[in-house]
Amino acid sequence: DIVMTQSPLSLPVTPGEPASISCRCSKSLLHSNGYEYLDWYVQKPGQSPQLLIYLGSNRASGVPDRFSGSGSGTDFTLKISRVEAEDVGVYYCMQTLQTPFTFGPGTTVDIK
Amino acid sequence: EVQLVESGGGLIQPGGSLSLSCAASGFTVSSSYMSWVRQAPGKGLEWVSVIYSGGSTLYADSVKGRFTISRDTSKNTVYLQMNSLTAEDTAVYYCAKGQGAWGQGTLVTVSS
Repeated sequence: DIVMTQSPLSLPVTPGEPASISCRCSKSLLHSNGYEYLDWYVQKPGQSPQLLIYLGSNRASGVPDRFSGSGSGTDFTLKISRVEAEDVGVYYCMQTLQTPFTFGPGTTVDIK
Repeated sequence: EVQLVESGGGLIQPGGSLSLSCAASGFTVSSSYMSWVRQAPGKGLEWVSVIYSGGSTLYADSVKGRFTISRDTSKNTVYLQMNSLTAEDTAVYYCAKGQGAWGQGTLVTVSS
């Protein structure tokens, strides 16, 4: 199984400041088709997870452009350029390169 | 608009069976891979099963031989038949469309 790790696990943020979450995988997520099979989700309090970034760096429909995804192989990063109060929640990375699909443990983002 | 609505959760005794449904709208369930993902109380996300557009299915080791994923294209619905349930299966079960929308989840509680 591909093991996913995230850091930090807890991230207190100040509104208006940038934030960054790292996701590392035990195996390269680069498919032979050239795509990185890494997605980012956020689960806001009391809600189901919602897709932010797919295939490593593509923003999902309706996601604000302050969110960006980057990385390749085994190291990926989610960046929020300027955190807003509505961004609080748990952020998960997920690999869909091979089954079992696996998730990172989650990073809890809250406001300082 | 893509929507997924899960149903069928509830309280079930250990060893019992339950069938979850995921009614889709805004797309056809056979056009994308569909997954079930669960979240135990206070825990992270765990992938359970997938059905690909071609009909092939795969399962997490923790549910293999006990759970069955299927779909009915005439009803545009995906199902998860769960047998031999244990307390470790207690979770909110989400259905998800490929890399995209998730439903609101349905709670399964296995307890005597």
